[in-house]
Amino acid sequence: DGGITQSPKYLFRKEGQNVTLSCEQNLNHDAMYWYRQDPGQGLRLIYYSQIVNDFQKGDIAEGYSVSREKKESFPLTVTSAQKNPTAFYLCASSHGTGVDNEQYFGPGTRLTVT
Amino acid sequence: RKEVEQDPGPFNVPEGATVAFNCTYSNSASQSFFWYRQDCRKEPKLLMSVYSSGNEDGRFTAQLNRASQYISLLIRDSKLSDSATYLCVVIFYTGRRALTFGSGTRLQVQP
Repeated sequence: DGGITQSPKYLFRKEGQNVTLSCEQNLNHDAMYWYRQDPGQGLRLIYYSQIVNDFQKGDIAEGYSVSREKKESFPLTVTSAQKNPTAFYLCASSHGTGVDNEQYFGPGTRLTVT
Repeated sequence: RKEVEQDPGPFNVPEGATVAFNCTYSNSASQSFFWYRQDCRKEPKLLMSVYSSGNEDGRFTAQLNRASQYISLLIRDSKLSDSATYLCVVIFYTGRRALTFGSGTRLQVQP
């Protein structure tokens, strides 16, 4: 079955540690995205990638880093510089980046940092 | 002012009721509009695109009013399974594709 997988579903870390969230897709989509969602709020774009080996900052990139070495994979690292890392992180992909391209979301990772 | 605004609700309606949500956007250059549905603690899923002429999908009708800069979602004959948060998504393109989510409107359909 085609889709997007994110792992793990729940992740707990101590403050000061970097943590990497996994996102894999087998939809053959060119574009991939990372969002975070906080309670009662909409999704905010962290980073996006339109093609392999290229990525761009979104609206809230500070404290995060990404890589896009393979078309299928777009891991997100939450660094210790991110001041409020506890959130629901969603990865998405789309066939292209045209305005009508539907984004498909993975199931998300809930990160809790204490 | 937020780029995309939605009434957070919750909208509590009985089964069978008709309910409508609005979503206002501030950027007049906005080009595409969507409604997504998000169940509690799950990922958003596309419900429907919103076309300029309005569009219908079963019990759901979406409309766009460019002059007043809002989109709407109408749900007829509400089912218990319609209970969810409905996210409005607005896309505008200014060199890069910017997809902006509203914070969502929560719907609770009651028996």
